[in-house]
Amino acid sequence: SQQGEEDPQALSIQEGENATMNCSYKTSINNLQWYRQNSGRGLVHLILIRSNEREKHSGRLRVTLDTSKKSSSLLITASRAADTASYFCATDALGYSTLTFGKGTMLLVSP
Amino acid sequence: DTGVSQNPRHKITKRGQNVTFRCDPISEHNRLYWYRQTLGQGPEFLTYFQNEAQLEKSRLLSDRFSAERPKGSFSTLEIQRTEQGDSAMYLCASSLAGGTGANVLTFGAGSRLTVL
Repeated sequence: SQQGEEDPQALSIQEGENATMNCSYKTSINNLQWYRQNSGRGLVHLILIRSNEREKHSGRLRVTLDTSKKSSSLLITASRAADTASYFCATDALGYSTLTFGKGTMLLVSP
Repeated sequence: DTGVSQNPRHKITKRGQNVTFRCDPISEHNRLYWYRQTLGQGPEFLTYFQNEAQLEKSRLLSDRFSAERPKGSFSTLEIQRTEQGDSAMYLCASSLAGGTGANVLTFGAGSRLTVL
């Protein structure tokens, strides 16, 4: 079963706009990770936030984590057409050695 | 190192045939994972190895599926007597786990299986 649930399922924006995706999960975690998948390809790791962190930045990415609400958000600022992809959150749950992925948000950035 | 390599990239087979996928992980990585992904869904965990030991298998992994990782290097995933429901992208990932480092996965490009 998939622990994470991303919201929205699909998002369409114009270049230059910001994109925000949300992820909710169910169990206690060591960390939460975001991955990107271009059409028909493998996933690429974007950013990791540990359970004791509340916010993290990497370039145009900003991720937040609220462990009390079991939720995370990924913000992509000043989006580009090349950001068009599916984005997945993945939880590294306490006591487990595997990552559990959500269903993903499909982002379309139009020029 | 060229990352995680998967072969073949595409496989079309008839129902009832056996298929085998191969994954070559990043050489320094001690963990190797297999995931399955269907259209519009996220990757679903199938099984993982730490070195040559298969440590966990998902309930999704029926007895028609078998995975091996001889000598802790490359891995193979075999599906026997394929069914149309096996049609999916099979993703391999590897990681270097242990110590205080987080378990970050590096994925291959995947092997897409179509069962007719």
